[in-house]
Amino acid sequence: GQSLEQPSEVTAVEGAIVQINCTYQTSGFYGLSWYQQHDGGAPTFLSYNALDGLEETGRFSSFLSRSDSYGYLLLQELQMKDSASYFCAVRGVDSNYQLIWGAGTKLIIKP
Amino acid sequence: DSGVTQTPKHLITATGQRVTLRCSPRSGDLSVYWYQQSLDQGLQFLIQYYNGEERAKGNILERFSAQQFPDLHSELNLSSLELGDSALYFCASSTRTGRDTGELFFGEGSRLTVL
Repeated sequence: GQSLEQPSEVTAVEGAIVQINCTYQTSGFYGLSWYQQHDGGAPTFLSYNALDGLEETGRFSSFLSRSDSYGYLLLQELQMKDSASYFCAVRGVDSNYQLIWGAGTKLIIKP
Repeated sequence: DSGVTQTPKHLITATGQRVTLRCSPRSGDLSVYWYQQSLDQGLQFLIQYYNGEERAKGNILERFSAQQFPDLHSELNLSSLELGDSALYFCASSTRTGRDTGELFFGEGSRLTVL
């Protein structure tokens, strides 16, 4: 079957760097996506990794290691508006190529 | 604004009732997805349509059904509602490339409360 694990909650200070990890188990891996969701809001796509390595988009970066079935989202220069839940999601053969989502990591940012 | 429109935003109903949620995808997107999100949980994939045809099914209950119309809008029908059906229901759409890259555009959701 498929499963994803990510920490339920992470706390960081404004201006700092934080890393949110995601480990997954799936067959026929096609890619790892990251989404941001503010309380009561819609999920918003952040990044996608299909190959090993680091993808950078502004203050956000995402990393993938397919051999370790592991990825992370790195947020730099944290701002209060980054307080949200962050979800990793994988697409695989097991899920008929649909996204399977982790339970989300709530990022709390303190001033 | 993602360009995906969902109605209604909020819905309160009683157990045993039936409701219909509506979704209009982004202009040009042929794929529509429905997701359920219970409190503080991840998203559970329900069903996907592509250009009017069912493409994939997830953990959708038999009490639930969906369809995509020729104008590409989609409806999710929930019947014989139970307390446990209370959740946020999201619709998302994607381009063909987006489907492959996991990039979905989500509507603001319909919050269903079953009393």
